[in-house]
Amino acid sequence: EVQLLQSGAAVRKPGEFLKISCKDSGYSFNIYWFAWVRQRPGKGLEWMGSIYPDDSDVKYSPSFQGHVTISVDKSVSTAYLQWNNLAASDTAIYYCARRGRDWWYFDLWGRGTPVTVSS
Amino acid sequence: SYVLTQPPSVSVAPGQTAKIPCGGINLGTRTVHWYQQRSGLAPVLVVSDDSDRPSGIPARFFGSNSDNTATLTISGVEDGDEADYYCQVWDATSDRVIFGGGTKLTVL
Repeated sequence: EVQLLQSGAAVRKPGEFLKISCKDSGYSFNIYWFAWVRQRPGKGLEWMGSIYPDDSDVKYSPSFQGHVTISVDKSVSTAYLQWNNLAASDTAIYYCARRGRDWWYFDLWGRGTPVTVSS
Repeated sequence: SYVLTQPPSVSVAPGQTAKIPCGGINLGTRTVHWYQQRSGLAPVLVVSDDSDRPSGIPARFFGSNSDNTATLTISGVEDGDEADYYCQVWDATSDRVIFGGGTKLTVL
């Protein structure tokens, strides 16, 4: 059974750096789009952006562009979400999700990485 | 940018039918997907491409899409169906994924 294995919970201070990960346990990492989705406490789902590992093409939501960086390392079948300057408002659960082969729905989700940013 | 509108909550008694709407301009011309998110868990795809059910999703879950409204219908509602439900589309004009605000289904 293919799974998306996300890194563990993180606690940081405002202004700090953080990089979280999402490893695809399957064998077809390069040919799927992968997304990052934010869920703030008690709130809904927000698409942050998606990346296609084969050519590292990235699509960002305007709401997140410039504040985060999405990347991949094909050699370890892993996608990343990175902040260089965290803010308290980044406190949330971050899910990675795999897009379906033929269209923009997400048929496989990770368990989520809780991120807490507090001074 | 494109907006999907969902009611914050829907309530239904066990065994009854729940209808969760998702509104958007000319939504019937787009392909809508639905996710179930139980408390404390990751979302799960329950309907793709307006009305297709992924493997393992019961036939009680049915999706439809026409004009300006897509609807997720859950028949014979069970206690385990209590969750938040989100609709989602791809907006090709802006090249982005759009989620609705989510609807909390309460089983009375």
